[in-house]
Amino acid sequence: AQSVSQHNHHVILSEAASLELGCNYSYGGTVNLFWYVQYPGQHLQLLLKYFSGDPLVKGIKGFEAEFIKSKFSFNLRKPSVQWSDTAEYFCAVKMGSQGNLIFGKGTKLSVKP
Amino acid sequence: NAGVMQNPRHLVRRRGQEARLRCSPVKGHSHVYWYRQLPEEGLKFMVYLQKENIIDESGMPKERFSAEFPKEGPSILRIQQVVRGDSAAYFCASSLGVRDRVNYGYTFGSGTRLTVV
Repeated sequence: AQSVSQHNHHVILSEAASLELGCNYSYGGTVNLFWYVQYPGQHLQLLLKYFSGDPLVKGIKGFEAEFIKSKFSFNLRKPSVQWSDTAEYFCAVKMGSQGNLIFGKGTKLSVKP
Repeated sequence: NAGVMQNPRHLVRRRGQEARLRCSPVKGHSHVYWYRQLPEEGLKFMVYLQKENIIDESGMPKERFSAEFPKEGPSILRIQQVVRGDSAAYFCASSLGVRDRVNYGYTFGSGTRLTVV
């Protein structure tokens, strides 16, 4: 079945630590990949997306993600997190010609000041 | 801000009542998607609509749930005879459609938090 897996349910970091959140998907065809962030009580905001080309994608707020096709992965990274990055992060994949996105269960990030 | 507008933000219903959730897409977007978010879970796809058409309703429960996106007006997600298990956040997203690869992406609304008491 088509699915998206996020490995970490809850990540706790101190400010200035580096971040990497894992995302894997199960689909052998063409994919479009997204990372969204949801701050407490708010709607989802797009951090970055990948369609084609350079597999290293840069997004807003210093985030980046790398698409590794052979590993079916699209991990999110940030070199130095801030307290304001505390939020929930969702990986989402559009698989083939489907219109909808399939979401992972999300990773809660807590950054200690 | 001409983003996706959802209302109400919060909705409380007693068991057995009907819930109507509204979604006005970004101006110019003709594709609407509804997702449900349960506590500790990600967003689960429910239904994908274009104007006056349901494209994919594979994520919709077979009973009590329906959705429409009329030619004029917002998209409506309707839940009849609500039960406690329907309590969740319901998010709507809109897009230009899959053919617009450059600008493709979803814009999400702020969601409607349904509580069934």
